[in-house]
Amino acid sequence: EVQLVESGGGLVKPGGSLRLSCAASGFAFSTYNMNWVRQAPGKGLEWVSSISGSSIYIYYAGSVKGRFTISRDNAQNSLYLQMNSLRAEDTAVYYCARGQASFVTTDYWGQGTTVTVSS
Amino acid sequence: QSVLTQPPSASGTPGQRVTISCSGTSSNIGSNTVSWYQQLPGTAPNLLMYSNYQRPSGVPDRFSGSKSGTSASLAISGLQSEDEADYYCAAWDDSLNGVVFGGGTKLTVL
Repeated sequence: EVQLVESGGGLVKPGGSLRLSCAASGFAFSTYNMNWVRQAPGKGLEWVSSISGSSIYIYYAGSVKGRFTISRDNAQNSLYLQMNSLRAEDTAVYYCARGQASFVTTDYWGQGTTVTVSS
Repeated sequence: QSVLTQPPSASGTPGQRVTISCSGTSSNIGSNTVSWYQQLPGTAPNLLMYSNYQRPSGVPDRFSGSKSGTSASLAISGLQSEDEADYYCAAWDDSLNGVVFGGGTKLTVL
């Protein structure tokens, strides 16, 4: 059974940092693209970042480029999102999602971890 | 403001057919495939459609997708109360070099 479990969310002050983790199980992790997608309270989905299976291809949304870093450890079946210089507008539920051949097609999602940026 | 444009709301009565539109540009829908997601209240999104009209296993054939030019549509026939959810379209954008989502459509079953 495919499982994605996010962790690392919490309350952080503006300008602070946070590292999200996503533990994957039930599939050959290294062969899949992975994505982070977020959803601000009461708002729609916003793509954050994607990484290919071998980490060769990495993409970021303009709103997080230069502040967030996506990475993965295929030996540990884990996906990460290092978030620096956090802003109030980064407050959201962050979902880890497994991608198919296209980064657009994400067939499994975690339950999400909540990040709140507030003083 | 979302790159892909969806109506904020849609509604129908049980048994009816409802269509949700998703409008984009030549850099996203016009040159790439579209996926659709269903998000039930309080839950993570669920893949409903990929490659414009392909249904993942487990998705009822009441759901269908189409694409023409720079627009895509999701149709739900035989509307059921459990279809009440938020629906999002998504596509790759060649100019932005990333995934873009529609703003979402809240479907109400009257």
